[in-house]
Amino acid sequence: AQRVTQPEKLLSVFKGAPVELKCNYSYSGSPELFWYVQYSRQRLQLLLRHISRESIKGFTADLNKGETSFHLKKPFAQEEDSAMYYCALRALGAGGTSYGKLTFGQGTILTVHP
Amino acid sequence: EAGVVQSPRYKIIEKKQPVAFWCNPISGHNTLYWYLQNLGQGPELLIRYENEEAVDDSQLPKDRFSAERLKGVDSTLKIQPAELGDSAVYLCASSYTSGAGDTQYFGPGTRLTVL
Repeated sequence: AQRVTQPEKLLSVFKGAPVELKCNYSYSGSPELFWYVQYSRQRLQLLLRHISRESIKGFTADLNKGETSFHLKKPFAQEEDSAMYYCALRALGAGGTSYGKLTFGQGTILTVHP
Repeated sequence: EAGVVQSPRYKIIEKKQPVAFWCNPISGHNTLYWYLQNLGQGPELLIRYENEEAVDDSQLPKDRFSAERLKGVDSTLKIQPAELGDSAVYLCASSYTSGAGDTQYFGPGTRLTVL
């Protein structure tokens, strides 16, 4: 079974401070991990995925298989980063590709104060 | 590009009434997903289509929920009869699935309130 846990429902930081949104997962196979973001009054959208190793809007996330974690980090938070963030997992298939069902965590609401 | 289109955006019904949601995926996307999002929770998959075929409907409560994707494009999700616990946001997502995997693009969702 696949499970994603985001231990913090709410996270508040001040502008310019570092931010880390925690994500832990449970899955017996090889996972692909994602972060999705939902800004106010907008639809859910992909922020980044661990396979692409990109930095999007200053955010990075490293897959730690030993700790089964995929924490999202940004060194200097901006007010426009305020949003709901979801960590999600998908089974990685043969050949290193994945598709199909995403398993989401409960989400973390990030508020960045001026 | 309009992205994934869903209608209606909001629906209020009384319990035991039927309700239907419609989804138009991004043009060319062969895979379509319906997710259920309860308040304070992340989305949970209800059903996944590859073209016209439902390839994963294990989480769909088949006693009251049904879905179809005729011609492999638009999809409709129906609840009959609705119960109070069905109040939630119903999300549609689509993707182009190939051997390289896929990225799911989400619609704005339909917020259902059952009174």
